[in-house]
Amino acid sequence: SSELTQDPAVSVALGQTVRITCQGDSLRSYYASWYQQKPGQAPVLVIYGKNNRPSGIPDRFSGSSSGNTASLTITGAQAEDEADYYCNSRDSSGNHVFGGGTKLTVL
Amino acid sequence: QVQLVQSGAEVKKPGASVKVSCKASGYTFTSYGISWVRQAPGQGLEWMGWISAYNGNTNYAQKLQGRVTMTTDTSTSTAYMELRSLRSDDTAVYYCARDLGATVGFDYWGQGTLVTVSS
Repeated sequence: SSELTQDPAVSVALGQTVRITCQGDSLRSYYASWYQQKPGQAPVLVIYGKNNRPSGIPDRFSGSSSGNTASLTITGAQAEDEADYYCNSRDSSGNHVFGGGTKLTVL
Repeated sequence: QVQLVQSGAEVKKPGASVKVSCKASGYTFTSYGISWVRQAPGQGLEWMGWISAYNGNTNYAQKLQGRVTMTTDTSTSTAYMELRSLRSDDTAVYYCARDLGATVGFDYWGQGTLVTVSS
């Protein structure tokens, strides 16, 4: 079982804002990183650290954290944002751990 | 540009071993670690372990301890992941990823290698 908990599925209307959350005790000590994965493709890093986007990631993606919860927000969701999203951080042993993933549907 | 290119798909019988390679280019190989992540069909991502390309130090996920070995060949900028005593539930796509540490995560990924374990 994952030490990071994500909602299995979330939906958003085209152009609206959606927040995907990740909960876990380790998030009180470590930032989460967020990955987007489309069918048949490798994951892509979209947010890391406090709120950093790798080059090429649109600025509609942002990250935040409060207590034991990290959030990925997409402001003005586009059809191409439909994907699975995974958070990653550290577990109680300091090893990497992934959340179970959230399937985002853009309506 | 940074690239991680993995070896091709494998089909193995239960009890066998598999060794997947990950050839890095576009950066100084020994400056970063490599993590291995796998994804069973229709399932989420599972971190398997990490190796320092600088000194070969490793850290494996507890559930795979004793069955997995990660190595690097700095002369060819290649990382390897060997998994032994394969079972049907090891069937998955295996990814290598450049690991920038706790504050960043995995910034570049290989294309994935499908390993199928079937009798």
